[in-house]
Amino acid sequence: GQQVMQIPQYQHVQEGEDFTTYCNSSTTLSNIQWYKQRPGGHPVFLIQLVKSGEVKKQKRLTFQFGEAKKNSSLHITATQTTDVGTYFCAGRGTGNQFYFGTGTSLTVIP
Amino acid sequence: KAGVTQTPRYLIKTRGQQVTLSCSPISGHRSVSWYQQTPGQGLQFLFEYFSETQRNKGNFPGRFSGRQFSNSRSEMNVSTLELGDSALYLCASSLDLHGGTQYFGPGTRLTVL
Repeated sequence: GQQVMQIPQYQHVQEGEDFTTYCNSSTTLSNIQWYKQRPGGHPVFLIQLVKSGEVKKQKRLTFQFGEAKKNSSLHITATQTTDVGTYFCAGRGTGNQFYFGTGTSLTVIP
Repeated sequence: KAGVTQTPRYLIKTRGQQVTLSCSPISGHRSVSWYQQTPGQGLQFLFEYFSETQRNKGNFPGRFSGRQFSNSRSEMNVSTLELGDSALYLCASSLDLHGGTQYFGPGTRLTVL
């Protein structure tokens, strides 16, 4: 079946360092969404990308959707302790189902 | 606007029992999706409802079922509970089917003993 994998699974960074998580789908996605889930919380929508090769920025966060619409990345510049959480990519794929990625758990060391 | 609400927030059941979870979407949202979140399997799609009809279903056994009412509120039911059904069950609402942002509720933490 369709899979959406994210790497790395865990990432520890010193505050101020950059962070990137990569999302790879086994099939083409019609769109890609990114969510952040704080420990003990629920996923919160960050952004949606629809077009092939699309790049969007939100302050220190940069999101990219691959040309083949099968991969995406989230890059955080100069991480802060408030960035702690698990970042999930998600998108609609085969059968129009919504698939979540495996998630990347980010720890920021002050 | 009030966010997505889920009841109950916590539930403890024993194997073999059944459970019903409830989700009230954001006012005006017509699409409701359900997800199961576990440490081992991550976030897995259960089903999606729109206009009282199930539009998509994930790869879960028939013990998992759901429905949506005319006011867009949704319920999911799990029968003959197994230990492996222990999870956080999340409901998400969106304005339309296949469209845009999903707003998640706080979830129902189900523990099966």
